[in-house]
Amino acid sequence: DSGVTQTPKHLITATGQRVTLRCSPRSGDLSVYWYQQSLDQGLQFLIQYYNGEERAKGNILERFSAQQFPDLHSELNLSSLELGDSALYFCASSVGGDLNTEAFFGQGTRLTVV
Amino acid sequence: GEDVEQSLFLSVREGDSSVINCTYTDSSSTYLYWYKQEPGAGLQLLTYIFSNMDMKQDQRLTVLLNKKDKHLSLRIADTQTGDSAIYFCAERYSSASKIIFGSGTRLSIRP
Repeated sequence: DSGVTQTPKHLITATGQRVTLRCSPRSGDLSVYWYQQSLDQGLQFLIQYYNGEERAKGNILERFSAQQFPDLHSELNLSSLELGDSALYFCASSVGGDLNTEAFFGQGTRLTVV
Repeated sequence: GEDVEQSLFLSVREGDSSVINCTYTDSSSTYLYWYKQEPGAGLQLLTYIFSNMDMKQDQRLTVLLNKKDKHLSLRIADTQTGDSAIYFCAERYSSASKIIFGSGTRLSIRP
């Protein structure tokens, strides 16, 4: 158990809909990272938050957004969903926001868009 | 450019050593990681190596880093059926706070 909690574990929704994925980082970790794992794109970094502020941005679509709340949990919002958004979405957390920290991953949320 | 490459499949006999290879492109990367993903599970950090190291050993795992060739390998000694998984190599850039993953190597164990 990495200490990172993601909910829900599974989500099935229709195209055009909007969903919110939730992540609770390990106790004491200030950074939260979001990743997307799909069959055709592999594992892609989406975005990082550190202590409530956006720290780095990767290959995140404009239809997607994220935020980190004062209690450090994070939410990833996916809107206008398309079939190609079906993937496993991972959250990871680390103590610091810089390069000298390890990131620990949650179990992921499997999103299926039908 | 940002690219981490791995072979997709590796099959080894139980009890033998497994060697999973990875090449990366950015010489300024500071940390290099190996993650394990079992079926239906999240990513588990196995080990990592600082870019100023050549080798790191942790029980059955040995990581070798050749900075000149930008080549990273993970050796698993005495491979067991529980080692069946996808192994991801990843690098962390010094110029940006993000991690780039390879496509993963699926390790299968045969009796």
